[in-house]
Amino acid sequence: DGGITQSPKYLFRKEGQNVTLSCEQNLNHDAMYWYRQDPGQGLRLIYYSQIVNDFQKGDIAEGYSVSREKKESFPLTVTSAQKNPTAFYLCASSTGDRPHEQYFGPGTRLTVT
Amino acid sequence: AQSVAQPEDQVNVAEGNPLTVKCTYSVSGNPYLFWYVQYPNRGLQFLLKYITGDNLVKGSYGFEAEFNKSQTSFHLKKPSALVSDSALYFCAVRAPYSSASKIIFGSGTRLSIRP
Repeated sequence: DGGITQSPKYLFRKEGQNVTLSCEQNLNHDAMYWYRQDPGQGLRLIYYSQIVNDFQKGDIAEGYSVSREKKESFPLTVTSAQKNPTAFYLCASSTGDRPHEQYFGPGTRLTVT
Repeated sequence: AQSVAQPEDQVNVAEGNPLTVKCTYSVSGNPYLFWYVQYPNRGLQFLLKYITGDNLVKGSYGFEAEFNKSQTSFHLKKPSALVSDSALYFCAVRAPYSSASKIIFGSGTRLSIRP
């Protein structure tokens, strides 16, 4: 998982609560990404950031928010507006010139009841 | 629109036998193709990529993949499977000149190697 940490590994929340997932990297990568993984669906891109203080929506951004105040950190907030938040969340990073070689963190499994 | 398909949810192989995990893609222009592996409750690890050049690409852990433009395929192969190869494998595609956000992942194939 080389240089990307996600915490916590497991997270439990009650419906209606916002929750923030942490992602930190020490690879000096410019770009960072958040994906959601559901069984049988592969990975879907939530948000990505190519540079500090800038980020773009991915394919399924509704109900999520992010910030990129530091190069090393890209936290994801799952808001109460996300209709089906229970999933495995993966953070990744890459260099600017090789965005296709993404390094992934170990993931956070979020369960909302 | 670009897409990638992994037609098999699960592949079962005996240890020592060759393995193939299938992937087909649809993209305009010459694609960038990738394979990633995911072990239980872990993030994905990059295995190999095809950007240009030789159609046979070699990657980590003895895996290789063959790009076949006429069949729009990028199957993952290994001559002799190990039990430790058991994991979830994802094929991914990116159209040339698109942004990093346009990497599309397949739904994954679970590879199970029996001793």
